[in-house]
Amino acid sequence: DTGVSQDPRHKITKRGQNVTFRCDPISEHNRLYWYRQTLGQGPEFLTYFQNEAQLEKSRLLSDRFSAERPKGSFSTLEIQRTEQGDSAMYLCASSLSQGAYEQYFGPGTRLTVT
Amino acid sequence: TQLLEQSPQFLSIQEGENLTVYCNSSSVFSSLQWYRQEPGEGPVLLVTVVTGGEVKKLKRLTFQFGDARKDSSLHITAAQPGDTGLYLCAGADTNAGKSTFGDGTTLTVKP
Repeated sequence: DTGVSQDPRHKITKRGQNVTFRCDPISEHNRLYWYRQTLGQGPEFLTYFQNEAQLEKSRLLSDRFSAERPKGSFSTLEIQRTEQGDSAMYLCASSLSQGAYEQYFGPGTRLTVT
Repeated sequence: TQLLEQSPQFLSIQEGENLTVYCNSSSVFSSLQWYRQEPGEGPVLLVTVVTGGEVKKLKRLTFQFGDARKDSSLHITAAQPGDTGLYLCAGADTNAGKSTFGDGTTLTVKP
């Protein structure tokens, strides 16, 4: 297993456009998490899935953000009508659903909204 | 909301020096992870501590979990330029099924 992968690594878009990011977790991990990180800050929790069920979504997350994990494997994060404030690194992580919940991160998708 | 405070926020030292960074909370965590993150990359898991008072060593890095499982420290001996990066701690809440991250300590080790 090559670990968590994310695509694309970088995305530049104009304000108002929609963007979609993909995350492929470690195959035996049933939990998948999305975080957002801005410069100088730690990762901010957005949402997480256990298998295909979305168990929690941050109250800070606007309705423009939606995430899916249709078959309990890969996940997508869509941002509609992007704003300049959405510019950040979007991180995906996966873990088992037991034990110490050690999360393994992908390389992230750097979003720049112009 | 469980908050984790990391200190110092920035640390710049010379190669060969020792250092300690801290991760503190008023909340109890079921486990705590330390990560290192390099610019433009995702965080990489270094260690997990679970038991209060636990000490784990990873080469020149020593991690300690507080007795009350509310705080942790990371000590680096004889720092090297390769240790440069953002060190993040994350407290895991078993009931919530997720972790809370601190804002990290940015370490720069100058050759």
